[in-house]
Amino acid sequence: AQSVTQLGSHVSVSEGALVLLRCNYSSSVPPYLFWYVQYPNQGLQLLLKYTSAATLVKGINGFEAEFKKSETSFHLTKPSAHMSDAAEYFCAVSFSGGYNKLIFGAGTRLAVHP
Amino acid sequence: DAGVIQSPRHEVTEMGQEVTLRCKPISGHDYLFWYRQTMMRGLELLIYFNNNVPIDDSGMPEDRFSAKMPNASFSTLKIQPSEPRDSAVYFCAASSRTEAFFGQGTRLTVV
Repeated sequence: AQSVTQLGSHVSVSEGALVLLRCNYSSSVPPYLFWYVQYPNQGLQLLLKYTSAATLVKGINGFEAEFKKSETSFHLTKPSAHMSDAAEYFCAVSFSGGYNKLIFGAGTRLAVHP
Repeated sequence: DAGVIQSPRHEVTEMGQEVTLRCKPISGHDYLFWYRQTMMRGLELLIYFNNNVPIDDSGMPEDRFSAKMPNASFSTLKIQPSEPRDSAVYFCAASSRTEAFFGQGTRLTVV
């Protein structure tokens, strides 16, 4: 079955520290991969997406993610965390191309402390 | 374009009542999705439409749930009768082939 796994439901970092949020997927066909961010009482906002072009994808707010086929991973990183990065982050995958049937991971709540 | 607009933002209703959630998608985005978000189950895809036609409703939990898209600018998700376990945040999302946009959600509480 196709699935997305986010390792760690809660991640806490210091302001200025590296942010690493992990995402692994299972698929027998090339996936499209996405990271979304959700701030409290808000909808989901697209951070970045991988659609079979460059494996290192840069998104908004200084985030980037690298698609590693051999590891079936699409981890999200940011070199230096800001307080405003505190939110919930969702990895999502589409196996039928484009945005059809996005399947979401369980989410990772990022806390940033001074 | 104001983005995907959902109404109401909050809904509190009594068990057994009918609830209708509304979504106005973005013009020109021919896919529309309804998701449900709960602490226990995360984000679940309930149903999606392409060009107003339902494509996959396998995520609709029970016959109490129904969704319609009578035209390209409007969709509804109806729960009849509602139950406390339906309490969740319901999101509508609209997409083209290259981008998906979510509404701010409707927080439903069934008491």
